Amino acid sequence: KAGVTQTPRYLIKTRGQQVTLSCSPISGHRSVSWYQQTPGQGLQFLFEYFSETQRNKGNFPGRFSGRQFSNSRSEMNVSTLELGDSALYLCASSLGTGGEQPQHFGDGTRLSIL
Amino acid sequence: SQQGEEDPQALSIQEGENATMNCSYKTSINNLQWYRQNSGRGLVHLILIRSNEREKHSGRLRVTLDTSKKSSSLLITASRAADTASYFCAIEGGATNKLIFGTGTLLAVQP
Repeated sequence: KAGVTQTPRYLIKTRGQQVTLSCSPISGHRSVSWYQQTPGQGLQFLFEYFSETQRNKGNFPGRFSGRQFSNSRSEMNVSTLELGDSALYLCASSLGTGGEQPQHFGDGTRLSIL
Repeated sequence: SQQGEEDPQALSIQEGENATMNCSYKTSINNLQWYRQNSGRGLVHLILIRSNEREKHSGRLRVTLDTSKKSSSLLITASRAADTASYFCAIEGGATNKLIFGTGTLLAVQP
């Protein structure tokens, strides 16, 4: 069974631009969560989607948004990029929502803002 | 903050030795999970322990949970160079069911 796939693996943008990251979950998994990982703040929860609905949201500004499609694939979008948005963005999928479901992570998208 | 705090931040041991990492948290939890992250990769789920459990084993891993002290520990026995990675605890609790990750312990196992 293929794992969680995130594209692209690396991305370089400049301040003010916007970016869209993609995540394909494990087949059959309906929940997708996004995290931002930085050396200073560690792993921070962005949002979770289940059956195309946002179930949970972390404490990030409205520039960060996401969506989930009917095939469970998910995208996250960051608009008006800032230098502080440089991070590793991780996507994780699980069978269902709820904290007892182990999260299966992709290898992330490394976003660098110049 | 609900975030777990891990101790130590970094740990260096020799192959064959045991490694112990600790996680403390502040809120009530439903369960606590441990994950491993190799450099430049995503996280891998290791083990989940529910709030009504005190100890769980999986291969060379042993996890304990003390809800009265709001702490957990991960023990890796007979460590190998391949165990070199960052280890994170993640707590799940409250109405939102979202996972809150700790700050991580960087483990280096010297061959």
